[in-house]
Amino acid sequence: QVQLVESGGGVVQPGRSLRLSCAASGFSFSTYGMHWLRQAPGKGLEWVAVIWYDGSSEHYADPVRGRFIISRDNSKNTLYLQMNTLRPEDTAVYYCARDAGEDVLIADYFDYWGQGTQVTVSS
Amino acid sequence: EIVMTQSPGTLSVSPGERATLSCRTSQSVSSNLAWYQQKPGQSPRLLIYGASTRATGIPARFSGSGSGTEFTLTISSLQSEDFAVYYCQRYDNWPTFGQGTKVEVK
Repeated sequence: QVQLVESGGGVVQPGRSLRLSCAASGFSFSTYGMHWLRQAPGKGLEWVAVIWYDGSSEHYADPVRGRFIISRDNSKNTLYLQMNTLRPEDTAVYYCARDAGEDVLIADYFDYWGQGTQVTVSS
Repeated sequence: EIVMTQSPGTLSVSPGERATLSCRTSQSVSSNLAWYQQKPGQSPRLLIYGASTRATGIPARFSGSGSGTEFTLTISSLQSEDFAVYYCQRYDNWPTFGQGTKVEVK
């Protein structure tokens, strides 16, 4: 069965960096686009970034563009999110999610989600 | 920027009753709309995509309808496990979510 397991969250000071990982299993990772989304405490869902199945293209939401970098290692079935220059408003549970598109197409909705990892930005 | 508005913010329903949730977009998204369910402490679950297609394993009591700017998620007979927050999401462009509707026990 499809499994997505995030790790790397924690408490970090404003301006510092953090890297999240998402280990995927149970499907052909290299043929799916992958996303990061987040949810601030008590708030709704916010899309953060997407990366194409082969890593050839990436796109970001405006609040994180220029600070966050999404990447993947298909040989390790792992997705990453490098978060730089963190701000208090980046505090959230971060989810990785599989794009629902099949055969390398990007659909931009999400059929499997991880359990999330908490990131807290505070001095 | 397309604005997505879900209503009501909270819906109080008795078990066994029908629940009707609304999602409106400020511009047409055609049928590029999905619905998710999120229970406390859990990650979201895909219910509906393409405005009306149930995702794998989703019970038939969940149905979606609409196109363009107005969409509806209907739960025909609420079960105890259906009390949760529901989000709509457009995907005609970069993904954007509504603010959610909480379905609570009346």
